[in-house]
Amino acid sequence: ETGVTQTPRHLVMGMTNKKSLKCEQHLGHNAMYWYKQSAKKPLELMFVYSLEERVENNSVPSRFSPECPNSSHLFLHLHTLQPEDSALYLCASSQPGLAGGDTQYFGPGTRLTVL
Amino acid sequence: QKEVEQNSGPLSVPEGAIASLNCTYSDRGSQSFFWYRQYSGKSPELIMSIYSNGDKEDGRFTAQLNKASQYVSLLIRDSQPSDSATYLCAVEDRDSWGKLQFGAGTQVVVTP
Repeated sequence: ETGVTQTPRHLVMGMTNKKSLKCEQHLGHNAMYWYKQSAKKPLELMFVYSLEERVENNSVPSRFSPECPNSSHLFLHLHTLQPEDSALYLCASSQPGLAGGDTQYFGPGTRLTVL
Repeated sequence: QKEVEQNSGPLSVPEGAIASLNCTYSDRGSQSFFWYRQYSGKSPELIMSIYSNGDKEDGRFTAQLNKASQYVSLLIRDSQPSDSATYLCAVEDRDSWGKLQFGAGTQVVVTP
């Protein structure tokens, strides 16, 4: 595996379900990000993790719960979602602090549909 | 409020022509700038990064940066139908560690 991987690629869930999205980066980076991209809308930054510590939370509803157990893995736990949460969820990683290190590399995304 | 502005398009470009995309940003202290390409339903893919004033060329793509005027542009030469996508401009946020400010993107449609 190379780059940034995400699983599952597609997810359909009911409003009462609990599910988790997984992201893994194989680039040796120290920062990981969750973005939400709704149809025809710009990228929305949700969470930023640096060395497994959350450094930013952009007023995201508590039904989204991130977890970063180590610098290579990032999870987004989902529970009691709403239909308006249906979107493409993107994970990215970078290595801030190095020359050119703020370049973010994206995973393929998880297409989430909430029924 | 920091902003990154792009024309949403669509920008219609005949095949073989040059596509010119512009991006302006509000944070005068930003030092790093990026162009990403995003096909419909796919994730953003890095095309180029640029850090110094002037032009940077990579194949058919040229990025141009003017920090004094706070704009960055992307030229796509010899446009191909496969270049049809949304192009996102991203600018380093100096106040937030590791964060990039993304524009809403310009949709480019290359017509055969």
